[in-house]
Amino acid sequence: GAGVSQSPSNKVTEKGKDVELRCDPISGHTALYWYRQSLGQGLEFLIYFQGNSAPDKSGLPSDRFSAERTGGSVSTLTIQRTQQEDSAVYLCASSQRAGAQETQYFGPGTRLLVL
Amino acid sequence: GESVGLHLPTLSVQEGDNSIINCAYSNSASDYFIWYKQESGKGPQFIIDIRSNMDKRQGQRVTVLLNKTVKHLSLQIAATQPGDSAVYFCAESNTGKLIFGQGTTLQVKP
Repeated sequence: GAGVSQSPSNKVTEKGKDVELRCDPISGHTALYWYRQSLGQGLEFLIYFQGNSAPDKSGLPSDRFSAERTGGSVSTLTIQRTQQEDSAVYLCASSQRAGAQETQYFGPGTRLLVL
Repeated sequence: GESVGLHLPTLSVQEGDNSIINCAYSNSASDYFIWYKQESGKGPQFIIDIRSNMDKRQGQRVTVLLNKTVKHLSLQIAATQPGDSAVYFCAESNTGKLIFGQGTTLQVKP
């Protein structure tokens, strides 16, 4: 019943460590999206899971970033060997179906700080 | 490349006045547009959307106008309230992934 949830809400890590960010989409939503929002900036697309189709990974900034979506529901965004420039708010969204005209609903985000 | 931009970074209005937030987009193939509101420390909240086959759409106290000729989008908020203070983002899509503008901060003066 609830909206998109994300965990943890805040994460502080040291440079070089790996982090995993979790997203629980709205129940029944087949499409899931990850975006990144740097301080004072807009939202930058990262990756898009389109139901059973291959994910659109065109927004991932480097090969240190990867994401999985298990069982068509929960998704995990992994950042390996974190760098200070990875510090940002990572936002997850879901929509009922995949497609260009589907409303995306956002979670509260995970605030990542890399020291 | 694709881009969505906002004309003004900050808009200050008196409580009770109407607010108009503008947005320009560059991809003429975009067929879906959304306005989001983001309060400090929270994720973006859906306000209203419009498809490219429409010029205007109204919600509760909000209206979105789409001018495809000049690739311009606007959000009108009637009788602006203190609770409307936030950053407003426009976004466009034609593939599913959203392309966002930088955001406009709306400040409502009591």
